[in-house]
Amino acid sequence: SQQGEEDPQALSIQEGENATMNCSYKTSINNLQWYRQNSGRGLVHLILIRSNEREKHSGRLRVTLDTSKKSSSLLITASRAADTASYFCATDRLNSNAGGTSYGKLTFGQGTILTVHP
Amino acid sequence: DADVTQTPRNRITKTGKRIMLECSQTKGHDRMYWYRQDPGLGLRLIYYSFDVKDINKGEISDGYSVSRQAQAKFSLSLESAIPNQTALYFCATSNWRGGNEQFFGPGTRLTVL
Repeated sequence: SQQGEEDPQALSIQEGENATMNCSYKTSINNLQWYRQNSGRGLVHLILIRSNEREKHSGRLRVTLDTSKKSSSLLITASRAADTASYFCATDRLNSNAGGTSYGKLTFGQGTILTVHP
Repeated sequence: DADVTQTPRNRITKTGKRIMLECSQTKGHDRMYWYRQDPGLGLRLIYYSFDVKDINKGEISDGYSVSRQAQAKFSLSLESAIPNQTALYFCATSNWRGGNEQFFGPGTRLTVL
């Protein structure tokens, strides 16, 4: 089963508005990552937040992480039509049997389809 | 030039045929991964490899096999293709020194008739 569950499944907004996507997961993580996919193309890494971080920024992106609730959110501010894409969260699970390192593989959520209307 | 390349980009084949999808990378990463993507299901891990001598099954490895011919090359085979293997297949790489941030190829769209 998927480690990450995303909400909403689809989001439609107007250009200039903010877009917020949420991700919940089930087990302890080393880090959580967000990826973007334009239709039918390969995923592109957006941002990584480590388990000991609570918030991270990159340009118009803001990611938060609440490990107590096992959830993360991705905020895109001042959205543009070019932000139209699918967004996926991915968790790098913690391997507690290996000194707190990761398993070295990601588990992806089903994604949120974002449509930004001009 | 793209850092992660996949060939072919599109393939239509028939049930029972053997198919090989190839992935090459110039990023110098040690880790390589194969995923499949189906509508509404996100990406699911098929196989992954941490170095040339290391191959691991992912969550959906049945019906697939892989070969890590070199650090830069990782191929995925469908020994006897079936229609429910119709999907978009992605190769990805990562470097253990990072946070397992992954770099994806452009994908191969496979249709099994």
